[in-house]
Amino acid sequence: AQSVTQLGSHVSVSEGALVLLRCNYSSSVPPYLFWYVQYPNQGLQLLLKYTSAATLVKGINGFEAEFKKSETSFHLTKPSAHMSDAAEYFCAVSFTGGGNKLTFGTGTQLKVEL
Amino acid sequence: KAGVTQTPRYLIKTRGQQVTLSCSPISGHRSVSWYQQTPGQGLQFLFEYFSETQRNKGNFPGRFSGRQFSNSRSEMNVSTLELGDSALYLCASSETVGPSTDTQYFGPGTRLTVL
Repeated sequence: AQSVTQLGSHVSVSEGALVLLRCNYSSSVPPYLFWYVQYPNQGLQLLLKYTSAATLVKGINGFEAEFKKSETSFHLTKPSAHMSDAAEYFCAVSFTGGGNKLTFGTGTQLKVEL
Repeated sequence: KAGVTQTPRYLIKTRGQQVTLSCSPISGHRSVSWYQQTPGQGLQFLFEYFSETQRNKGNFPGRFSGRQFSNSRSEMNVSTLELGDSALYLCASSETVGPSTDTQYFGPGTRLTVL
């Protein structure tokens, strides 16, 4: 079975500071990993996805994530936080043969302070 | 292209009633998936349809059902509503079925409140 664990349900950073949102996965087969962002009263927007082509994945809005198999991690980072980054972030996993089914983590609410 | 649209956006029902939610995928997309989002259980997969066939189903009771039409539009139905069915129901569409090459696009969701 596949699962993801997001450490920290709430993360607070200052504007301009590094954003680090943690995600660890558990999968018995090679996983596909995703980060989605959700703004209030909206659906989910894909930030980036790992499909085994490259371990460092660059996404939209300056976000990137690194797949580390030895640590079973896929942490999301952004060098400099902006007020507009305040939202809820979800890590998700899928696998070949699972269709488009995504298994999501519990989410991390990011707060950006002046 | 227009994005994924879901109707209605908000819905209030009472226990025991049934409800039908609709999802129109992005033009050309043939795969539609449904998710339930609640504060307690988070985001949970309901089912996935491709070319009018259910390909995958999550761990939900039989009260939850869905279907897909020949134009790829999808509906989900919940019968005998319970208070715990109050949630945001999200629909996602993609061109095909394949996490390695495909991207799912989510709609804004339908907020269902069961009283």
